[in-house]
Amino acid sequence: ILNVEQSPQSLHVQEGDSTNFTCSFPSSNFYALHWYRWETAKSPEALFVMTLNGDEKKKGRISATLNTKEGYSYLYIKGSQPEDSATYLCVSDSWGKLQFGAGTQVVVTP
Amino acid sequence: NAGVTQTPKFQVLKTGQSMTLQCAQDMNHNSMYWYRQDPGMGLRLIYYSASEGTTDKGEVPNGYNVSRLNKREFSLRLESAAPSQTSVYFCASSAGTGANTDTQYFGPGTRLTVL
Repeated sequence: ILNVEQSPQSLHVQEGDSTNFTCSFPSSNFYALHWYRWETAKSPEALFVMTLNGDEKKKGRISATLNTKEGYSYLYIKGSQPEDSATYLCVSDSWGKLQFGAGTQVVVTP
Repeated sequence: NAGVTQTPKFQVLKTGQSMTLQCAQDMNHNSMYWYRQDPGMGLRLIYYSASEGTTDKGEVPNGYNVSRLNKREFSLRLESAAPSQTSVYFCASSAGTGANTDTQYFGPGTRLTVL
């Protein structure tokens, strides 16, 4: 994988349901993976930074896992709420080279 | 702390005009970045500065120049604006002196339209 790819591009979730989505990144020269949350009309805000294979991070109802050998990370939202509606960006850091994914847009409907 | 501030918030230019986007951070961060965001393409790095007095090209530097005026300020200049430079521009900063595990803090963005 040469670029950072996020899938799906967008998803709609019913309030209370859980969901997850993927970030694929180049596994060679990997240093760190960042997840950002980006609400409409605002700036991206940091959620997690992960560096080690098998890393798991959690912040409230949102958690993320990392597999550096195969080059993917999952982000999970448990019991989605309308305030979780945002675009979630992943950023791969390969020893100084940052690559941004295009984001997964999450829309949580009541 | 204001964090990362950008001016202006909105700007409309005619093709060929020049302008400078200003960015300042009050977190004593070493690194600063300029990105552009276009629909369906995510954020793309234009230029970055790993420390005061240094600047480096990112993924899409053509048509832009930057100045790291001091530790706080990092400006982006369009010498001769083109419609292809219509975009939303984000400035960011991080504590370290290079891209690593440091979290980046983003400004509110500047929406630029070139007619």
